[in-house]
Amino acid sequence: GNSVTQMEGPVTLSEEAFLTINCTYTATGYPSLFWYVQYPGEGLQLLLKATKADDKGSNKGFEATYRKETTSFHLEKGSVQVSDSAVYFCALNRGAQKLVFGQGTRLTINP
Amino acid sequence: EAGVVQSPRYKIIEKKQPVAFWCNPISGHNTLYWYLQNLGQGPELLIRYENEEAVDDSQLPKDRFSAERLKGVDSTLKIQPAELGDSAVYLCASSLEGPSTDTQYFGPGTRLTVL
Repeated sequence: GNSVTQMEGPVTLSEEAFLTINCTYTATGYPSLFWYVQYPGEGLQLLLKATKADDKGSNKGFEATYRKETTSFHLEKGSVQVSDSAVYFCALNRGAQKLVFGQGTRLTINP
Repeated sequence: EAGVVQSPRYKIIEKKQPVAFWCNPISGHNTLYWYLQNLGQGPELLIRYENEEAVDDSQLPKDRFSAERLKGVDSTLKIQPAELGDSAVYLCASSLEGPSTDTQYFGPGTRLTVL
């Protein structure tokens, strides 16, 4: 079946550090891939998405590239800020509008 | 544009009591979802509506959970009776139907605590 595996958390970094959160997936065919972010006390917000192989999604300085050969969609940011502290979820959508989420990675950025 | 609205934001009840959650999707979104999010986990789909029709309720525990979406807009999710293990965040999401519109927009959730 379809599944998403995320890098174990929590992750703690200093401000301006480089961020990578790993995400790999298992799916038949060609799913769409997403990163959602959940700030404290808020609902999930779409951060970025990619719908086909080699697509790069980007938003707010975050990027992720759809790698079909490695079935990965790693999230990266060159210089993190305290305001990036949140829980990040990788997800896939393989037809029927059904999102399958990873377990989430809690990110804390210290000033 | 207003986002997905959910109420209440927090609910504390005793086990065996009933509870209901309400969701108002983004205007014009014909697809509505209810997800369950346990602590430290990603959301899991409970039920998906297209307009008034529940098109995927395979993960909904039908012995105690029920949902409705009258008139294809607002939706209510009910638990009766609640159990301790139902303590979680219940998320509502909505989207436009179509092959190129697979982005779901989430509400803030209702955090349920069952004592």
